[in-house]
Amino acid sequence: DGGITQSPKYLFRKEGQNVTLSCEQNLNHDAMYWYRQDPGQGLRLIYYSQIVNDFQKGDIAEGYSVSREKKESFPLTVTSAQKNPTAFYLCASSILGQGPHNQPQHFGDGTRLSIL
Amino acid sequence: KQEVTQIPAALSVPEGENLVLNCSFTDSAIYNLQWFRQDPGKGLTSLLLIQSSQREQTSGRLNASLDKSSGRSTLYIAASQPGDSATYLCAVRPGSGGSNYKLTFGKGTLLTVNP
Repeated sequence: DGGITQSPKYLFRKEGQNVTLSCEQNLNHDAMYWYRQDPGQGLRLIYYSQIVNDFQKGDIAEGYSVSREKKESFPLTVTSAQKNPTAFYLCASSILGQGPHNQPQHFGDGTRLSIL
Repeated sequence: KQEVTQIPAALSVPEGENLVLNCSFTDSAIYNLQWFRQDPGKGLTSLLLIQSSQREQTSGRLNASLDKSSGRSTLYIAASQPGDSATYLCAVRPGSGGSNYKLTFGKGTLLTVNP
């Protein structure tokens, strides 16, 4: 079955620690995205990538970093510079294109990050 | 800056009732609008996608309409069931289309369907 796999499901971070959230997709999608969701809030875009070795900042990129070395993988690192990292993190992917190829984004099941 | 608002924030209905969820957006220059469903602790599942040139889309008991000029969309759920209980989010993609795939999300409507 094609889909998006996020791991781990739950993650705890200590003060001053960097942590990395994994996102893998086998949908052969070109574009991948990272969102942050806080309780009672909509999703906010952190970073997105449309092609391997290229990515762009979203609306709340400060304190986060990403890499896109493979089409299938788009890991997100939450650095110690992110002072309020507790949230639900969602990864998504989509194909690129217009008209009939305009497809919705597909989402993983998320990683819940908490501070110890 | 695009802003998306969903009303109501929460809705509780008895099973079998027809219901409408509302989504409004401030910039009518959109490329498309999507409705998603989110179960507790889970990711989002795409329900319907409406292109800016379309007026509505239907899937089973769901019907989404779009009035781009007034900046509004509605999601109509017919004959609601307890399994429909979830948070429903709408999101818009900028009208520039092209290489701009960034979505702006509303905060969602939490729907509870009581048996």
